[in-house]
Amino acid sequence: SQTIHQWPATLVQPVGSPLSLECTVEGTSNPNLYWYRQAAGRGLQLLFYSVGIGQISSEVPQNLSASRPQDRQFILSSKKLLLSDSGFYLCAWTSRGHEAFFGQGTRLTVV
Amino acid sequence: AQSVTQLDSQVPVFEEAPVELRCNYSSSVSVYLFWYVQYPNQGLQLLLKYLSGSTLVKGINGFEAEFNKSQTSFHLRKPSVHISDTAEYFCAVSDKSNDYKLSFGAGTTVTVRA
Repeated sequence: SQTIHQWPATLVQPVGSPLSLECTVEGTSNPNLYWYRQAAGRGLQLLFYSVGIGQISSEVPQNLSASRPQDRQFILSSKKLLLSDSGFYLCAWTSRGHEAFFGQGTRLTVV
Repeated sequence: AQSVTQLDSQVPVFEEAPVELRCNYSSSVSVYLFWYVQYPNQGLQLLLKYLSGSTLVKGINGFEAEFNKSQTSFHLRKPSVHISDTAEYFCAVSDKSNDYKLSFGAGTTVTVRA
């Protein structure tokens, strides 16, 4: 069966520090992978999505970047965090547009 | 670019009353459509989906939705709600012409009162 792992669950980072959130998927191949940020009243804001290794589409200009070094690995990064990067980040995968499966999320607090 | 609009940010409703949550999307090509629910302090759970076929889709917990291509809408309904339906509901669209990019609406918070 397919599973998705996202870590860490919570993270407190100082302003200006780097960030790396990782997401891995098991039990499927060539998934579409997504990073969302969930904020109250704004739903799930799509940050990045990927249809294959090294293929990244950015939806929102920001302080973040994403990479897909392997088929089932998706990484969200920042070189220098801002206070405004605080939020709840969700990784998800789909198989050609079908139902999305979500990770447990990462609560990021930038202090 | 694909966008998803949920027309109501908050919907208060009394127990056993009907509820309708509205969702419109922008797309000139074919799409897959979804409704997800998020109960307090929990992850997102799929309620129902439209991929093809009948435009009336039935989901879990007594919910249903109707796909209207001409109006680019996918409204969610339940004829009689329970207290346990209190949650946030998200409409989502997968754009088949754009690598199945999955976009979500801003969400509708449903609060069911006795």
